Order: sequence, then C-alpha cells, then structure tokens
Amino acid sequence: ILNVEQSPQSLHVQEGDSTNFTCSFPSSNFYALHWYRWETAKSPEALFVMTLNGDEKKKGRISATLNTKEGYSYLYIKGSQPEDSATYLCARMNYGGSQGNLIFGKGTKLSVKP
Amino acid sequence: GAVVSQHPSRVICKSGTSVKIECRSLDFQATTMFWYRQFPKQSLMLMATSNEGSKATYEQGVEKDKFLINHASLTLSTLTVSSALPVDSSFYICSARDPLAGVEKLFFGSGTQLSVL
Repeated sequence: ILNVEQSPQSLHVQEGDSTNFTCSFPSSNFYALHWYRWETAKSPEALFVMTLNGDEKKKGRISATLNTKEGYSYLYIKGSQPEDSATYLCARMNYGGSQGNLIFGKGTKLSVKP
Repeated sequence: GAVVSQHPSRVICKSGTSVKIECRSLDFQATTMFWYRQFPKQSLMLMATSNEGSKATYEQGVEKDKFLINHASLTLSTLTVSSALPVDSSFYICSARDPLAGVEKLFFGSGTQLSVL
C-alpha cells in the first residue's frame, strides 16, 4: 500500500487568514492527484484533479500546486471564510490503476472562526 | 455538476441482519461505480468496483460474500452488508464517474453510517 499523508491533521484559523496544507505521496507510478472538499453530512466535492508536474490550479480563493518528482501537493486558501470550514482530502491515482482506486489521505480538517 | 444520491444516510441494525445501501447517479449514466469504507480516524479505502451488467471487482481483503454488490442499471448500484456484525460498523460511501466530466473526476454520494449492535 502506498501511503498518502496529509498535514496538519486539523487547523483553526480566523476569518480573513490565508492558510495552506500539504499532501505528500510516493512519486513512483503516479498518474493523478485529486483534492476534495468535504463538509459534514454532505458529499465530497471535487476541487482539482492534477496530473502534470508543476501544475497549478485555481478555483476562486483556493489554489493548488503539484510536484510529482518530490511527491507533494499544496492547497492554499486565501482570505479564509467560515464557509471554507470542511475537511480537505487529497487522493492519489496510480498510473494504470482502476479509476476509482484513489489512495486517500486522512484529510485536513479546517475550522474558520468568524 | 453531476449528482450522486446515497441512501440511507444512517442505519442502526442488530447483528445478523442484512443492510442494503443504494447509490444512484441522478443526472448521468454511470457504467462504473465505486464503494469505499472509512473506519474512525482512517482514510477512505476502496472496497470494490461495481460494473453495470457484470460482477463487481473486489479489493484484496474484502469479502465478496459479505458485501454483495449489484449494479443492475446505469444509474443504480447497491451494496448489501450480509449478516452484519459489529465489526462491520463503519462509514460507507459510493462514487461514480461521469464520462462527460472527464476520465479522472469522480462524484461522491454523501455516505452511510452503519452501526451494528
């Protein structure tokens, strides 16, 4: 089993703060890296799917970068808002693997205080 | 975006009973759906791949006779936990791929928390 590690496990920030967290993964046999935003009692929502080394993607105040050679991805949130409170999951997909065989990290739980 | 509906959201049952969980793609046809399980403080783990019209493919260590998967239509997959035991208590969640949304993107249900007494 190839482990995907996320840090920190949880994070508490004030509204307006910018924040970032890390996803690290084995770089061998890499195909894609997924980021999901998961609010309690809701479905995980896909944020980004990244495949190329050096990829940077942005969606509103949220952006992500990918380094496949060293095996890490950063998720950035600029000017955090209370509605950003959620668990952020990253998952790695192996090259040649089943499309559903995402290897997930345990997530980073973000709490944004007003 | 594509919507996947999963029911029930929570179920409590006695040991020995069977529990069925449904996963529906509401606005797209899903030839393939995926079932995951998450134990407390652990990662989501793929249990099986559900293929419409054919047998499911189970991951290593997942008992196919315990976790029966049926994917009888392009919009519905069901997971039945047979003769459930307390050790089967977990969070179960499904996902599906919308072929029109790109090969990598998956859409998830909201999950089912199963508690076996």
